[in-house]
Amino acid sequence: GAVVSQHPSRVICKSGTSVKIECRSLDFQATTMFWYRQFPKKSLMLMATSNEGSKATYEQGVEKDKFLINHASLTLSTLTVTSAHPEDSSFYICSARLSGRALLRNEQFFGPGTRLTVL
Amino acid sequence: DQQVKQNSPSLSVQEGRISILNCDYTNSMFDYFLWYKKYPAEGPTFLISISSIKDKNEDGRFTVFLNKSAKHLSLHIVPSQPGDSAVYFCAASAVRGGSNYKLTFGKGTLLTVNP
Repeated sequence: GAVVSQHPSRVICKSGTSVKIECRSLDFQATTMFWYRQFPKKSLMLMATSNEGSKATYEQGVEKDKFLINHASLTLSTLTVTSAHPEDSSFYICSARLSGRALLRNEQFFGPGTRLTVL
Repeated sequence: DQQVKQNSPSLSVQEGRISILNCDYTNSMFDYFLWYKKYPAEGPTFLISISSIKDKNEDGRFTVFLNKSAKHLSLHIVPSQPGDSAVYFCAASAVRGGSNYKLTFGKGTLLTVNP
């Protein structure tokens, strides 16, 4: 149980185009999902918190107009990188928090990640 | 300001022995802690977690210890296996503090288990 998928696993695009990445919780509901970015040999950097049915909360320094997040259902959140540039090339990972858990618990399960390369 | 610290970037142990991975935190609001294992180009895999109301949690070969007064937690793996070789991340959250369940990660420790 507690499986999270991401699609696509790898994408290459031209500079100036937009790319959408999907994050799905396959066997559980997730009212809250998170989007991270990982740079080479670095830890995970939280970009935003995605709540089902409401606007995402972005971390300081993350451009909300560039990284559009939609959490339309309890099992799906999407991250769209708009007008991508080479500096947006990175490994993007989502996580989903199990809904319905006791309030004092916070297990989060991660997707396999998406490697974005912008040429 | 790094709120979660994993001071050992790497650790090497012999197969069958115990691996002890350490993590320190500075934010006293943190009340839920998790350990993840990660391979390159993959998402982290959840291993074990512990709430601040406990000082120990065990799951198979994995045991997490929490020392709240020292703001320190550790992950014990015994016996260690070559398949355990990966980067291990410690993460913390302030569930009761209304942080919207955000996780703060350490920088990771690369564990190598030698056959």
